Amino acid sequence: TQLLEQSPQFLSIQEGENLTVYCNSSSVFSSLQWYRQEPGEGPVLLVTVVTGGEVKKLKRLTFQFGDARKDSSLHITAAQPGDTGLYLCAGVRSSYKLIFGSGTRLLVRP
Amino acid sequence: NAGVTQTPKFQVLKTGQSMTLQCAQDMNHEYMSWYRQDPGMGLRLIHYSVGAGITDQGEVPNGYNVSRSTTEDFPLRLLSAAPSQTSVYFCASSYGTSGGAETQYFGPGTRLLVL
Repeated sequence: TQLLEQSPQFLSIQEGENLTVYCNSSSVFSSLQWYRQEPGEGPVLLVTVVTGGEVKKLKRLTFQFGDARKDSSLHITAAQPGDTGLYLCAGVRSSYKLIFGSGTRLLVRP
Repeated sequence: NAGVTQTPKFQVLKTGQSMTLQCAQDMNHEYMSWYRQDPGMGLRLIHYSVGAGITDQGEVPNGYNVSRSTTEDFPLRLLSAAPSQTSVYFCASSYGTSGGAETQYFGPGTRLLVL
């Protein structure tokens, strides 16, 4: 049973479109992180959100942490082919134990 | 800085064989961890260490051993490989100042195939 459910699992969109990826759980997390992973490489941290209701922006990416700290979303505006990759959310459940979601594989077609 | 390095990049084992996956970091990070990544499962924590001489179990520790004799190195041992251990293994490290909420730096991974 996945503690963190990500949706959708796969997303194929045209360049310039907007998209949202969701990360949901029934558990409360002290903080939540989003990573992006490219084929053959390890995940790279994009952002950490720690406060319920927090919104962080990273250029065209907007991250939101739910008020109850159980869910999060990643919104990409005007997607570009360079955004292609596997997006992973990870919740810090207790000290030093990160729980990862199953991932959302994004393909942005030129 | 090389960051987090892992060797080998790819390994094929027969059932019952043993091997050690190597992980090293040159950032003087206190916290190191091992994950396995399987299709549709994200990453699952195997073992972690908050400093030299201190290790603890993660979500899926069975079949794996670890030790941390130095700050730099955190090897993962498979004592008797099984086909269920076929996976991609990632090592990660961080300063360990925020209970895991700080930036985790991942290595490039080791692809393991157990026949």
